[in-house]
Amino acid sequence: DIVMTQSPDSLAVSLGERATINCKSSQSVLHSSNNKSYLAWYQQKPGQPPKLLIYWASTRESGVPDRFSGSGSGTDFTLTISSLQAEDAAVYYCQQYYSMPLTFGPGTKVDIK
Amino acid sequence: EVLLLESGGGLVQPGGSLRLSCAASGFTFSSYAMYWVRQAPGKGLEWVSRISGSAATTYYADSVKGRFTISRDNSKNTLYLQMNSLKAEDTAVYFCAKPLPGGNFYPFDNWGQGTLVTVSS
Repeated sequence: DIVMTQSPDSLAVSLGERATINCKSSQSVLHSSNNKSYLAWYQQKPGQPPKLLIYWASTRESGVPDRFSGSGSGTDFTLTISSLQAEDAAVYYCQQYYSMPLTFGPGTKVDIK
Repeated sequence: EVLLLESGGGLVQPGGSLRLSCAASGFTFSSYAMYWVRQAPGKGLEWVSRISGSAATTYYADSVKGRFTISRDNSKNTLYLQMNSLKAEDTAVYFCAKPLPGGNFYPFDNWGQGTLVTVSS
């Protein structure tokens, strides 16, 4: 199984400042056939289901604000919120969809400082 | 608009059974694999099971293999999860989820609101 880890566990960022979350997979999720990393990011707010933000490591889902961006390839990935807004307070999860079983990172909680 | 509505959760004793349902609308249900994902109280997300659009192939997490059965009725646009031999560690909110179009095991662009399963005596 591919194990996903995230860092930090939590962070507090001031409004308008940058938030950076890291995700690492225990093996590469880069598929050689299409040169795409099978890595997604989700945002989850209390009492709500997760919301897809990013897939293919860097492709923003339709309707997601452009302050959210994803980067990385292979085993190391980053989700960046360029200018944190109040509504961005949430838990963020990375997920690999390279192989079964699908696995999620443990989550990173983002609070407003 | 895609809608996924789970039902069937509740309180069940250890060793008991429960069947969850997920009613889907707003997309061509039979064209998509469907998934169950769970979240224990205060914990992270855990993928549980996947079924192909035709129901020909299924996958299960090791933690539920042999106890849970995923199925679907494409004539009713409904996904199911039969859960037997339930354990306390199965206590969670269970979400059904639809993947992005295009390929195997794609990430989930639509989720239901979830149904809570509590396993306790």
